[in-house]
Amino acid sequence: EPEVTQTPSHQVTQMGQEVILRCVPISNHLYFYWYRQILGQKVEFLVSFYNNEISEKSEIFDDQFSVERPDGSNFTLKIRSTKLEDSAMYFCASSPAPGPYEQYFGPGTRLTVT
Amino acid sequence: DQQVKQNSPSLSVQEGRISILNCDYTNSMFDYFLWYKKYPAEGPTFLISISSIKDKNEDGRFTVFLNKSAKHLSLHIVPSQPGDSAVYFCAVEYGNKLVFGAGTILRVKS
Repeated sequence: EPEVTQTPSHQVTQMGQEVILRCVPISNHLYFYWYRQILGQKVEFLVSFYNNEISEKSEIFDDQFSVERPDGSNFTLKIRSTKLEDSAMYFCASSPAPGPYEQYFGPGTRLTVT
Repeated sequence: DQQVKQNSPSLSVQEGRISILNCDYTNSMFDYFLWYKKYPAEGPTFLISISSIKDKNEDGRFTVFLNKSAKHLSLHIVPSQPGDSAVYFCAVEYGNKLVFGAGTILRVKS
């Protein structure tokens, strides 16, 4: 069964450093998303991406964040200058069509900013 | 921001019995609702969904009920199995994103 994959599973970085989180969405899916879950809190939407551009972004997704689809298979989330409060699980998701449709999630990357 | 509420943080059920997980929402414009299951150190896994034109959707042991007038949905799992022990998230599709509830931890005792 096709699945969304994410690398790395755990990333530790120092405050102020740049990180890139990588995702490989399901191959025939066209819509891509990033969500995050801070420990003990809800899963929160960050950004959606379609046809090589951002469809929607949340207030969390400020200028420190960017997304890219550098090739036909990868989808990345970059945080330019990490802060302590960026520590969270980051989930990538994809769907074959826009809503209403279920989204399929990857296993997540645990980002720890020290 | 409490658009989707799951008021029960946890639920404990005996194996073989019914598990009922509840979810309330605030916006009557929401029209597509989903349930996800999440194990520790894994991503959310899609379980079942329902559109606002229906009041029930069934898939094997899982049934979702939607009460639009009460802005309430519930997930029934019958019979519950120990492998169902996980965190269950209610979500609504809104715009081009999912809005999640806080989750309910389900423990199925054998």
